[in-house]
Amino acid sequence: AQSVTQPDIHITVSEGASLELRCNYSYGATPYLFWYVQSPGQGLQLLLKYFSGDTLVQGIKGFEAEFKRSQSSFNLRKPSVHWSDAAEYFCAVVPYNTDKLIFGTGTRLQVFP
Amino acid sequence: DVKVTQSSRYLVKRTGEKVFLECVQDMDHENMFWYRQDPGLGLRLIYFSYDVKMKEKGDIPEGYSVSREKKERFSLILESASTNQTSMYLCASSAGQGLSSYNSPLHFGNGTRLTVT
Repeated sequence: AQSVTQPDIHITVSEGASLELRCNYSYGATPYLFWYVQSPGQGLQLLLKYFSGDTLVQGIKGFEAEFKRSQSSFNLRKPSVHWSDAAEYFCAVVPYNTDKLIFGTGTRLQVFP
Repeated sequence: DVKVTQSSRYLVKRTGEKVFLECVQDMDHENMFWYRQDPGLGLRLIYFSYDVKMKEKGDIPEGYSVSREKKERFSLILESASTNQTSMYLCASSAGQGLSSYNSPLHFGNGTRLTVT
């Protein structure tokens, strides 16, 4: 079945450590790809997006993501996590030739001082 | 900054009640969306609208309807609330039309947490 998967439900890291959040999709053609963040009590905010071109995408708040076609992945990374990064992160896709944004189930990030 | 305002932060309703969730955006966006968010399920699209008086079903429209009489306002209606509609409801808007709409990011409201007892 076509889907977007975030295999990690919950991740805990220490402040200052590096971070990688995984996202995989299963669509025949490369979809549009997005990462959103939801801080506690807030709506979602777009971190970055990939449509085409350079496979390493820079976003806000120091985040980046790399599209790997061979692995059908779009993993989110940050070299040094801050306590304010504690939030829930959602990968989302717009499948090719559609106009629906489909969200993954989210990864909750906890940051320890 | 774009502002998407959901009229209620928390709502408690009884089974069988008719419930209105209101959403207003102030940036003249064409597109508006209603999602529900449940733990372990992420966000699921209920309904969306690309224009005034226009609506399209999302992935889980059963038990819901919507109204878009004015461009800035998109209402979600639970005709007869049930306990399985207890959830967080998120409204969003974006600029652009159709397939091009995702060139513009979705702007979300802060959500309405609805409890149906």
